[in-house]
Order: sequence, then C-alpha cells, then structure tokens
Amino acid sequence: GESVGLHLPTLSVQEGDNSIINCAYSNSASDYFIWYKQESGKGPQFIIDIRSNMDKRQGQRVTVLLNKTVKHLSLQIAATQPGDSAVYFCAENKEGDYKLSFGAGTTVTVRA
Amino acid sequence: ETGVTQSPTHLIKTRGQQVTLRCSSQSGHNTVSWYQQALGQGPQFIFQYYREEENGRGNFPPRFSGLQFPNYSSELNVNALELDDSALYLCASSLAGSLLYTFGSGTRLTVV
Repeated sequence: GESVGLHLPTLSVQEGDNSIINCAYSNSASDYFIWYKQESGKGPQFIIDIRSNMDKRQGQRVTVLLNKTVKHLSLQIAATQPGDSAVYFCAENKEGDYKLSFGAGTTVTVRA
Repeated sequence: ETGVTQSPTHLIKTRGQQVTLRCSSQSGHNTVSWYQQALGQGPQFIFQYYREEENGRGNFPPRFSGLQFPNYSSELNVNALELDDSALYLCASSLAGSLLYTFGSGTRLTVV
C-alpha cells in the first residue's frame, strides 16, 4: 500500500554534529510534506514544510530536501543540540485530501 | 493566543466501556482533526470536523464518533472499547483547508 516511512527507527548523534533524518514515500500523487518533532508527553510540533514544486527549503538550523525522482525526503539539523532529542515524523498530503499521513518516526538521541 | 487543550490527560477504562475525550481548539481555528497514535507509531487520522460536521474520515469503525460545537471545540467518543484502542489520542486544530495544524498534548487512553 501507499505509505510514508522513515529509513531508520533510531539515530544517535554527537552534540554539535549535523543530523540527517530520512523518509521515503511511495505515493507519487503527494505534493506537500511536513516534518514534525514530538517530545515525550507532547503532541507533534511543526518544524518545516515543503511543496513538491521545490527541492529544498531552509529554516532556522533545519533544511528539508525533496527528491521526487526517488520519492525521498530528508531533514537536516545543523549543530544538533540536546534539545533536539525527540521523535521526528514526516507526513505527506495529496492535493485535495483533508488529512496527513504520517510515517512511523525516527527517534533521535543527542549524546553529550 | 491559547494553544490546543485536551482533557483528560490520562484515562484508564475497562474493555467494553465508553469514553469521551475533549478538545479546545486554538483561538481563531475553526477545524478540528483527531488522530490516534499507538505506542511507537505515527499518528493515524481518525476524522476531521468543520462547521460542526464530519468533513472526512480515516479507516476507523463507526464506534469512533465525534462532535464539534459552535465554539469549535470538539469531542471524540469511542464506544465498546477494545484493548487495541489503547493509544495517545491527539487533537489538532487549524483553519479550514489548511494543514498547518496545532496539536494538543493528547489524551493517553489505556484500556484494560
């Protein structure tokens, strides 16, 4: 079936290093993607989004890359900090649809 | 500006019982979406409410139902609870047609 998923369930990163979190999607009709961060005991928090007419979008310390050819999405976090420890989800949407479809998530742990 | 508030934060119910979860949307938002997040998984769309009517529904049985009130707050009702209903239930509010959700912190439901 069509789904959004992440390549790795866990990622351990040294503080100060850059993190790369990957997501593969199979639905070529998806045209909008969002990365969320979810900390323990909290709901998902919006990080950054990107539409399918873009390849790259940058925010504060974060960059999302979209490769439509291989249906791949990544989130890069620069200079990872302890506060970046959380579960990260990618979510997709098809034009005209009213819902987001989430992947299973990647747990990022930042080592001091 | 207030965020999304959900109540209760935790709840334990017995199999076969009924439960009502509540959500107050963010100020200015008129659409509410509900998601179920099983442990270790990404959120799964249950349904969305706009103008006090169900606007779309995911793959959940009819024993999952909802309401939206004139002040845009919402309830999620689950009848005949099953053990597999144990999950974090997330409410997200947004403007109509927008996928820029604000999520609440969720209600942790445990069915025993």
